[in-house]
Amino acid sequence: AQKITQTQPGMFVQEKEAVTLDCTYDTSDPSYGLFWYKQPSSGEMIFLIYQGSYDQQNATEGRYSLNFQKARKSANLVISASQLGDSAMYFCAMREAYNNNDMRFGAGTRLTVKP
Amino acid sequence: NAGVTQTPKFQVLKTGQSMTLQCAQDMNHEYMSWYRQDPGMGLRLIHYSVGAGITDQGEVPNGYNVSRSTTEDFPLRLLSAAPSQTSVYFCASSYAWKVNSPLHFGNGTRLTVT
Repeated sequence: AQKITQTQPGMFVQEKEAVTLDCTYDTSDPSYGLFWYKQPSSGEMIFLIYQGSYDQQNATEGRYSLNFQKARKSANLVISASQLGDSAMYFCAMREAYNNNDMRFGAGTRLTVKP
Repeated sequence: NAGVTQTPKFQVLKTGQSMTLQCAQDMNHEYMSWYRQDPGMGLRLIHYSVGAGITDQGEVPNGYNVSRSTTEDFPLRLLSAAPSQTSVYFCASSYAWKVNSPLHFGNGTRLTVT
């Protein structure tokens, strides 16, 4: 069963605007962690932000914030003030205590920032 | 710190050949893992290790072997390469084997099997 779903294969955003990348997940484990990674065209995987299942507040890291809606099982990434360098693939991922703490990934969303 | 180092960056194999992808980390991380990335499928876990001498299978282990004789090194062996193993391979490590521990990735190995 698909654990992580990213429904947007590709997204476009105008430079300096905000964009939301969607992620929904499936788990019955009360203890889990949600992660977002960025993969630029150069290929490396860059860790962006983390949200724990017990965290009361949404995580933020600079221009990145995670819109965590636990009851809806969604963990959307919000990028504010988009820059040309934000053009990349973005992956949502989850680690579950019940699943050996393995990290499972969604299929990714390709974001293109237009000048 | 170098972080997670993978070699080689590129490799072409013929069907039936074997090879080893090298992975080393210098962060004293407990957990190490191997993923493969295929278009439209995200990253899929091949094998992982929670410490020296301990390995286990992930989601797609067939055709691959691993060992972990030291904390630093976690090589991935392809026993008899097949075209279906054409992919980009990532080694990753985390400080702990816990839900709140992010993975740190190497730069990847692009493997083509002809």
